[in-house]
Amino acid sequence: RKEVEQDPGPFNVPEGATVAFNCTYSNSASQSFFWYRQDCRKEPKLLMSVYSSGNEDGRFTAQLNRASQYISLLIRDSKLSDSATYLCVVNAFDMRFGAGTRLTVKP
Amino acid sequence: DTGVSQDPRHKITKRGQNVTFRCDPISEHNRLYWYRQTLGQGPEFLTYFQNEAQLEKSRLLSDRFSAERPKGSFSTLEIQRTEQGDSAMYLCASSLDRGGGRFFGPGTRLTVL
Repeated sequence: RKEVEQDPGPFNVPEGATVAFNCTYSNSASQSFFWYRQDCRKEPKLLMSVYSSGNEDGRFTAQLNRASQYISLLIRDSKLSDSATYLCVVNAFDMRFGAGTRLTVKP
Repeated sequence: DTGVSQDPRHKITKRGQNVTFRCDPISEHNRLYWYRQTLGQGPEFLTYFQNEAQLEKSRLLSDRFSAERPKGSFSTLEIQRTEQGDSAMYLCASSLDRGGGRFFGPGTRLTVL
């Protein structure tokens, strides 16, 4: 089993849709969690940290479920500019990246 | 620009040649990381420095790979006797502390012919 697993997608959604990604992790000692966004042929960029109580940043909501060992990212009111690959990152002794979920938002 | 910078951005080399990449982290960040990313995969950890000390090395880092951070600022990653399987994007990242998010540079795309 991979340390961090994500549904690779692709997710193709219309503008304005709500889309959610899940990510599961295997190391129960993991202590910090992040979502990164990566555009085609660009470096990953930190989107948001994920806190135990859940957190929101505009149209983006991240949640952590330690008991089931998964994190989620919800994007509301999708924009064309949200099209990218979203990487789930789990930090135990070091950061482990998921393979990413590709999102395409269409007009 | 106060972000992480990497040089060169692209490198094409022939199999068997040596290559060296440079990374300049965000100035106040004492932690520096090297990752490798291939198409369709997330970044894979290679090695990590705290100041000038190399504290962790992945099993992915064969003896052909060596990294240095001599003064605790910029870092270099050298690959000796390159192989076609070394073709990838090599990403450098820095952070203030281990639990914090990593800030990535634009990467060096290596193509080994």
